[in-house]
Amino acid sequence: DTGVSQNPRHKITKRGQNVTFRCDPISEHNRLYWYRQTLGQGPEFLTYFQNEAQLEKSRLLSDRFSAERPKGSFSTLEIQRTEQGDSAMYLCASSLNPNTIYFGEGSWLTVV
Amino acid sequence: DAKTTQPPSMDCAEGRAANLPCNHSTISGNEYVYWYRQIHSQGPQYIIHGLKNNETNEMASLIITEDRKSSTLILPHATLRDTAVYYCIVRVQGAQKLVFGQGTRLTINP
Repeated sequence: DTGVSQNPRHKITKRGQNVTFRCDPISEHNRLYWYRQTLGQGPEFLTYFQNEAQLEKSRLLSDRFSAERPKGSFSTLEIQRTEQGDSAMYLCASSLNPNTIYFGEGSWLTVV
Repeated sequence: DAKTTQPPSMDCAEGRAANLPCNHSTISGNEYVYWYRQIHSQGPQYIIHGLKNNETNEMASLIITEDRKSSTLILPHATLRDTAVYYCIVRVQGAQKLVFGQGTRLTINP
């Protein structure tokens, strides 16, 4: 499968714990995006990387959230001190151009 | 980004054309119309986009009115696998983020 790969697909964590999600984009895609989606809502933009540079961040990305793309390939999204409101699906996407963006299957987070 | 308005849900019979409307009355001249869909529990999937001319690809056709205030996504021969939430998005070309609304939940019935 050469699509966007996300791991883990599901994560259950206790409130206050840290979690990290990994995204492997489509090979050679220089643009990488993170979105968050809660039940019944459309995805919400979190952040955007071009190569290793994080060029855009949403106000939704509080100081408990950090995203990195150290070598311009895979990316990680870390959530520190998780809260119940962080429960959502975290979507990663990649592209070569902004017109056609390819999304992964998402990583489901449940904070109990 | 301009706001879009879509019906919350629609039904269509299998094998018929599904026509999904979208209003974007405040669209600017440099904003494109994009359509994505999301099948249950999967990530969104790009369908098609256009500026002012009608567009067609292997998945669908996009019809944009002359005043560009509305558009219609057409799935010519809907199948059960087309059941999904369809999102109409307007975005300035070159902008990075997509702003998703609530979309239209399309159900294809056998």
